[in-house]
Amino acid sequence: GIQVEQSPPDLILQEGANSTLRCNFSDSVNNLQWFHQNPWGQLINLFYIPSGTKQNGRLSATTVATERYSLLYISSSQTTDSGVYFCAVFTNAGKSTFGDGTTLTVKP
Amino acid sequence: GAGVSQTPSNKVTEKGKYVELRCDPISGHTALYWYRQSLGQGPEFLIYFQGTGAADDSGLPNDRFFAVRPEGSVSTLKIQRTERGDSAVYLCASSFGGRNNEQFFGPGTRLTVL
Repeated sequence: GIQVEQSPPDLILQEGANSTLRCNFSDSVNNLQWFHQNPWGQLINLFYIPSGTKQNGRLSATTVATERYSLLYISSSQTTDSGVYFCAVFTNAGKSTFGDGTTLTVKP
Repeated sequence: GAGVSQTPSNKVTEKGKYVELRCDPISGHTALYWYRQSLGQGPEFLIYFQGTGAADDSGLPNDRFFAVRPEGSVSTLKIQRTERGDSAVYLCASSFGGRNNEQFFGPGTRLTVL
């Protein structure tokens, strides 16, 4: 099946810093989503982005489907941004595969 | 409700017992999914429903796991003869239309098998 790799696995930032999270996938996909899992375990939708670039406040995402990667940008990070960020891809066969996540810690 | 809801939020059971986990999707969402998340890992797909039928159950680990969605809305994941290795967070998601559409997740049920 498709492989999804997220990097870095762990990231520690000072409040106010910017960061880039990466998601690489091994095959073509129909859809890609970014989620933030908060400390209570809830998966929060960030972006539904099979291709192109989207922005939502301090967050933006870019997916280059032909090169099989997606990037999540977080600017001016806040302590509430802490948590695990997951990328999930959806293939032609309808299979959904999540990466193992990037754990972000933002220190005050 | 406004979002996907799951009950119970926590379930502790003994090895060998039977458990049922419930998912109530977003109103109007025809697609429903079950995932399992172990500590330190991303969610793993278990089963996908389109309406009342299980369109893809390829992620169910073995025949102790079964899920139903009799009226095309609420779904129940059933686990027979639970084992300690079944301990995980079970997540439910729903989407409007097909399975490539944006999925929205519930808060999960944390299952602990003693």
